[in-house]
Amino acid sequence: GEQVEQRPPHLSVREGDSAIIICTYTDSATAYFSWYKQEAGAGLQLLMSVLSNVDRKEEQGLTVLLNKKDKRLSLNLTAAHPGDSAVYFCAVSPTNAYKVIFGKGTHLHVLP
Amino acid sequence: EAAVTQSPRSKVAVTGGKVTLSCHQTNNHDYMYWYRQDTGHGLRLIHYSYVADSTEKGDIPDGYKASRPSQENFSLILELASLSQTAVYFCASSELGDNYAEQFFGPGTRLTVL
Repeated sequence: GEQVEQRPPHLSVREGDSAIIICTYTDSATAYFSWYKQEAGAGLQLLMSVLSNVDRKEEQGLTVLLNKKDKRLSLNLTAAHPGDSAVYFCAVSPTNAYKVIFGKGTHLHVLP
Repeated sequence: EAAVTQSPRSKVAVTGGKVTLSCHQTNNHDYMYWYRQDTGHGLRLIHYSYVADSTEKGDIPDGYKASRPSQENFSLILELASLSQTAVYFCASSELGDNYAEQFFGPGTRLTVL
């Protein structure tokens, strides 16, 4: 079945720097790609999602890139600030199933 | 105002006891899910449901039952709680259709089994 690898598991950046998180997946039929943010003691919050026909999407300081050839999904937080400190999860879904497969998460620390 | 709520938010249970975790959503979503979160494992799907009075097994259903008495409510039941079931449990909901993969999560229930 589908496998998702997320890296790095921990990431520290300075305020104003970029933070990049990468996920790789195995199933070329994967159709739906999402990123979630989990703050301490809270549930996951959907940040952004893209379909497989989208290569790039930008919203509010976040950029999602999808490279279908390499089966790689990335999240770029441009100009990170301390409020971005959280755990980030990628998630992928096939076309015809209920299932959402999550990466293991990246703990992001943005230092002031 | 919160669209997905869970109760209780935390619980301590004894080994062999029965535990029921409850989830309520006001999103009018058809799909509901139960996940557990453990350090180093991310989120793993326990049970899900796409219609009231019906539940389906996820990836790790052993030791868990689920109940969906209405569209809004979805419960997770541990008949005989075990130490290995200590974890944080999340409920989520999503629409039927193209946006099924956009899931909306509750705040979680921290379960400790002693």
